[in-house]
Amino acid sequence: AAGVIQSPRHLIKEKRETATLKCYPIPRHDTVYWYQQGPGQDPQFLISFYEKMQSDKGSIPDRFSAQQFSDYHSELNMSSLELGDSALYFCASSLVQGLYGYTFGSGTRLTVV
Amino acid sequence: GIQVEQSPPDLILQEGANSTLRCNFSDSVNNLQWFHQNPWGQLINLFYIPSGTKQNGRLSATTVATERYSLLYISSSQTTDSGVYFCAVERWGGGSNYKLTFGKGTLLTVNP
Repeated sequence: AAGVIQSPRHLIKEKRETATLKCYPIPRHDTVYWYQQGPGQDPQFLISFYEKMQSDKGSIPDRFSAQQFSDYHSELNMSSLELGDSALYFCASSLVQGLYGYTFGSGTRLTVV
Repeated sequence: GIQVEQSPPDLILQEGANSTLRCNFSDSVNNLQWFHQNPWGQLINLFYIPSGTKQNGRLSATTVATERYSLLYISSSQTTDSGVYFCAVERWGGGSNYKLTFGKGTLLTVNP
């Protein structure tokens, strides 16, 4: 069965650089979520999109932005990267805003040096 | 927002032992999922279980929604069961629309 695809798997950036993470949800899933997991922490909600419109927002820094495109894939853009942005970034997708549960991608490990 | 508490925070077992992990939540929920995060960081969905009991091989889970807790049972544990087990809940309405809130997790170590 198709899963949630994230790219890249690993990313190393320098401080103040920009990073773009991509997420391809399960076909026919209409909702995409982004989570950030710092070292030793639980995943924290950043932002979600339902039918290509932003539906909810968590503790996402102003330096971060995201969007969902017409083909339902989503991108998380992070600018002016800081050391503290080093984390695992997960994308998840669901049908009907979580009604049948969420499926998570394998994550992107971002390291800022 | 909704609060999720998991216990114990850490658990060390010998291979073959059984264990029970607990998840308490502070309000009624519409969605509850158990995840296993393996040493490579992948979040593997174990159960979607807002209520009732499910079993999948050596794993089973029970959610008692009226009492606001869920239990994950691991029987005959194997070294590959090691990792962090997360409980995550979702409550529709109020300030917690359509997003999963995670507990702090239980770190399970299974020794050979």
